[in-house]
Amino acid sequence: QVQLQQWGAGLLKPSETLSLSCAVYGGSFSGHYWSWIRQPPGKGLEWIGEINHRGNTNYNPSLKSRVTISVDTSKNQFSLKLNSVTAADTAVYYCATRGTVSTNWFDPWGQGTLVTVSS
Amino acid sequence: QSVLTQPPSVSGAPGQRVTISCTGSSSNIGAGYDVHWYQQLPGTAPKLLIYGNNNRPSGVPDRFSGSKSGTSASLAISGLQAEDEADYYCQSYDSSLSGYVFGTGTKVTVL
Repeated sequence: QVQLQQWGAGLLKPSETLSLSCAVYGGSFSGHYWSWIRQPPGKGLEWIGEINHRGNTNYNPSLKSRVTISVDTSKNQFSLKLNSVTAADTAVYYCATRGTVSTNWFDPWGQGTLVTVSS
Repeated sequence: QSVLTQPPSVSGAPGQRVTISCTGSSSNIGAGYDVHWYQQLPGTAPKLLIYGNNNRPSGVPDRFSGSKSGTSASLAISGLQAEDEADYYCQSYDSSLSGYVFGTGTKVTVL
């Protein structure tokens, strides 16, 4: 049973870089795709991007220029960096997995991290 | 950017049946990509409710069911219970965006 535990800075100033990490416990790290998804306060969900254990990435085109997702297979962890943040990036950020290449739903999810961008 | 459209809210009395629609286009649901549904209780992470259009993960009551037709999908909740009060989101893949997309979300209220 895969479990995800995420952490990272919760308060940023405009133009800073958002940095979050997610550790994977249980199950298989290899062969799975690991994603980041965000949810602005009171709004819907937005997929940010994903990575597999080989480091192959796919990003949401609307965020691609500012996003980097990386993986550390030695620690079963993956990370998100979003640069040049603005107030519009204020959201709860979730890590999640969509399983293998043949599955395209997200389960399970991390507990979420509220990131607030404010001067 | 939500490319899947859901009604903002639906409501029903305990025991009633409610349905939530999810309308997409020819680049996502209409292209044959599966639809999945999530339940989000207040202050918690979304939880997978239905996968592959109409499959329930272990532990999800059979009161929840999903269907898909053309460019739309639906989630039905029968025998509505107070604990079903939550936000519900559909999700699919979009070939034009080359990425995963979510619905706008629907708040279910139990009267």
